[in-house]
Amino acid sequence: AQKVTQAQTEISVVEKEDVTLDCVYETRDTTYYLFWYKQPPSGELVFLIRRNSFDEQNEISGRYSWNFQKSTSSFNFTITASQVVDSAVYFCALSGSNSGYALNFGKGTSLLVTP
Amino acid sequence: KAGVTQTPRYLIKTRGQQVTLSCSPISGHRSVSWYQQTPGQGLQFLFEYFSETQRNKGNFPGRFSGRQFSNSRSEMNVSTLELGDSALYLCASSLDPAGLETQYFGPGTRLLVL
Repeated sequence: AQKVTQAQTEISVVEKEDVTLDCVYETRDTTYYLFWYKQPPSGELVFLIRRNSFDEQNEISGRYSWNFQKSTSSFNFTITASQVVDSAVYFCALSGSNSGYALNFGKGTSLLVTP
Repeated sequence: KAGVTQTPRYLIKTRGQQVTLSCSPISGHRSVSWYQQTPGQGLQFLFEYFSETQRNKGNFPGRFSGRQFSNSRSEMNVSTLELGDSALYLCASSLDPAGLETQYFGPGTRLLVL
């Protein structure tokens, strides 16, 4: 079975602070895909990143960075110098052949950035 | 390129009624997936359609059904609505079967069952 755990339910930070959102996953697939999505209050899920299981290279995109570690089954997301516009719910998701490649989502982490 | 569109955006129904939600994928995308989001259960996969065929199905009762048309537009239907069906229903599209390509989501349809 596949499972994604986002242990942090809510995080509150002050603007310009760095914040890391944790994601731990479980899967029996040897090839799988990891994702992060952002859900603002409007409800739409906005795609942020996709990572293949065979590519452990970390990625940086502007203020966003992702740390993928297969050894610990983690795919953490860091926002540097957070801004109020980063306030949203962030979801980590996993897909693989075990689920027919449907996305298995974590429960999400609600991030509040205050001025 | 236009994103995934869903209609209607908001819907209020009463128990026992049925409802049909529509999803238009990104142009050129042939795979459409549906997800249900509730505060209690989170985001759960309903089903996926590719080339008018249901390719994958989640663990939902038969009251939930869907279909896909030749232009890749998809509809999902919920019959005999229950209070617990109140949720945000999200549609996602991808170029090829989900998993091989990234899924992009629409704004969702908020369904309230009274």
